[in-house]
This record gives sequence, structure tokens and C-alpha cells, in this order.
Amino acid sequence: EVQLVESGGGLVQPGGSLRLSCAASGFTFSSYWMSWVRQAPGKGLEWVANIKRDGSEKYYVDSVKGRFSISRDEAKNSLFLQMNSLRADDTAVYYCAREGPRSGSSYNEGFDYWGQGTLVTVSS
Amino acid sequence: SYELTQPLSVSVALGQTAMITCGGDNIGGKNVHWYQQRPGQAPVLVIFRDNNRPSGIPDRFSGSNSVNTATLTISRAQAGDEADYYCQVWDSSWVFGGGTKLTVL
Repeated sequence: EVQLVESGGGLVQPGGSLRLSCAASGFTFSSYWMSWVRQAPGKGLEWVANIKRDGSEKYYVDSVKGRFSISRDEAKNSLFLQMNSLRADDTAVYYCAREGPRSGSSYNEGFDYWGQGTLVTVSS
Repeated sequence: SYELTQPLSVSVALGQTAMITCGGDNIGGKNVHWYQQRPGQAPVLVIFRDNNRPSGIPDRFSGSNSVNTATLTISRAQAGDEADYYCQVWDSSWVFGGGTKLTVL
């Protein structure tokens, strides 16, 4: 059974840092792109970042570039999101998601598994 | 950046058919995916690549995609279908629509 379990959320002051983790199990972690998606309270879904199977490519939404860093550890079957210089508008539930099969820019299958999310609150 | 437009809300009578649209420039040339999110829960993929259902998703859920509009169709709507629905595409990055709240009357 595929499982994604996020942790590391909490209350942090503006300008502070937080590191989110996502423990993956039930599948060959190294075979999949992985993403972080967030959802501000009462708002819609926003893709944040993703990382290629081998970690060689990483992409970010413009609003977090230079502040957030995505990484993965194959030995621990884990995905991470290092968040620095946090702002009030980063307050959200952060989901870890597995990307389905994809090939180039024209073939993809969306996000087939999601974790339950971890809440990040940025407030003084 | 690419934008996806969804209606804020759609209502459907119990047992009837609901259609949720997702508009985007030449969206017909992209793979469109749909997610269901019930209150307090994580999103669930209900349709991928326009019209494919993941294992475990009822065949009451179907999708189509043409030119500038993709559509999620929910037949024989049930109370349990009441949720937020999001469309998604890849366009140099992942893009989600703003979401549609489905109310089953």
C-alpha cells in the first residue's frame, strides 16, 4: 500500500525557517517524481515544487524561488522541503504528492497519491 | 503563466448529472487531471489524462477535453460526491484551477 506521511509543520515567526519531511512507503521511491502542494486556509491548491526521480532536476513556483529548497533521500525514502524566510502568505497545509508516470512535456498522469498534509502557520 | 478557469460552484440534484468545466487556452492539447477534495481531507485523483479513471473510482466519473474546455462529468450524483473539484495541467510547471464546490441538493 502506497503511503505518504508528512511531518515538520508548526508555528513559526515571519522570517523563520522550517523543514518539512515526507516519508514514503509501499512503492519504489526512486522511480517517481515527487511534488509539494500547498493549500492556504479556505483557498485552492497551489503547486510549490517538484523533484526528478534522481534529484537532478528541481522546479519551483515563482513565489518560493530562492526561499524554499526541495530535496530527497533515497536511502530514507524521504522527501523534504526546506523553507526559509517564511512569510505570512506561506501559511498553508503542505501536501506531499507522488507524480504519476510522465514522459517529456506531453505525457503525464497527474498526482496519483497524496499525503494527509502538515500545517504550517507563519505568525508573530 | 498558464491559467485554468473553473466556476466557483455547481449544484446538482441527487441522482442527476453534474458537469464541471475547466477553461484554458488550447487546453485540448494538454493532459487534464481532476481531483476531488472532501472537507478536511487530502485531494484524490478521480480522472487522469482527460478521461481515464484510477482504480477504485466509480464509472459515474468521466471526463472530456476539447479545444479550450475540459469537463468533468459526474453521473447519478450522490451525497458523497459533495466536495471541491480541481482541474490540473502541466504547462512548464504544474497548474491547478481555482476549484469548484459541488453541492448535491
